[in-house]
Amino acid sequence: GAGVSQSPSNKVTEKGKDVELRCDPISGHTALYWYRQSLGQGLEFLIYFQGNSAPDKSGLPSDRFSAERTGGSVSTLTIQRTQQEDSAVYLCASSPVRGASQPQHFGDGTRLSIL
Amino acid sequence: QKEVEQDPGPLSVPEGAIVSLNCTYSNSAFQYFMWYRQYSRKGPELLMYTYSSGNKEDGRFTAQVDKSSKYISLFIRDSQPSDSATYLCAMMRGGNNRLAFGKGNQVVVIP
Repeated sequence: GAGVSQSPSNKVTEKGKDVELRCDPISGHTALYWYRQSLGQGLEFLIYFQGNSAPDKSGLPSDRFSAERTGGSVSTLTIQRTQQEDSAVYLCASSPVRGASQPQHFGDGTRLSIL
Repeated sequence: QKEVEQDPGPLSVPEGAIVSLNCTYSNSAFQYFMWYRQYSRKGPELLMYTYSSGNKEDGRFTAQVDKSSKYISLFIRDSQPSDSATYLCAMMRGGNNRLAFGKGNQVVVIP
């Protein structure tokens, strides 16, 4: 498809387990972003990848969260030892090139529920 | 104080009415302003994208930015039931691509 693709669309797991969320950006988009959308909190920035540059990890809430982007395309967000407060929708976005003039396009997210 | 404030209260309007939404912000470094529409269980969809102060119109949608007041607005004319969604304002600084979002307004257009 032409849009940002995220998988799985839903994930239910037990507290303490690790989870991996995947994002496939729009082909040709060099910038990739992860956001978290929690009830009542709105969207919060997590991490930003641009080409081969070091990622901006300043939004990651704790060291249980990490992300990587392989080959400048697909990205994986990993949450270790999940907690109930990690329950949220995790959204991925991509944009064509570096530069503030390019809008971000979002996937439909992964809805994560921690039991 | 959050960087972007958007009164999250739901808004119900009759079909054909004008919908008016707004956000305020505190960071004068923001230069790019966006409105996204989000349907239930879907990702945000870009509606309007503006740079600095001024107005932008696209069909039934008008976005306004007043940087002196740190205030942005979205107007939807001749609202339709299909406009029922959550509307999110977002903004970013020049050279920094992270978006700062408001909490969103749920809009319901009643046929």
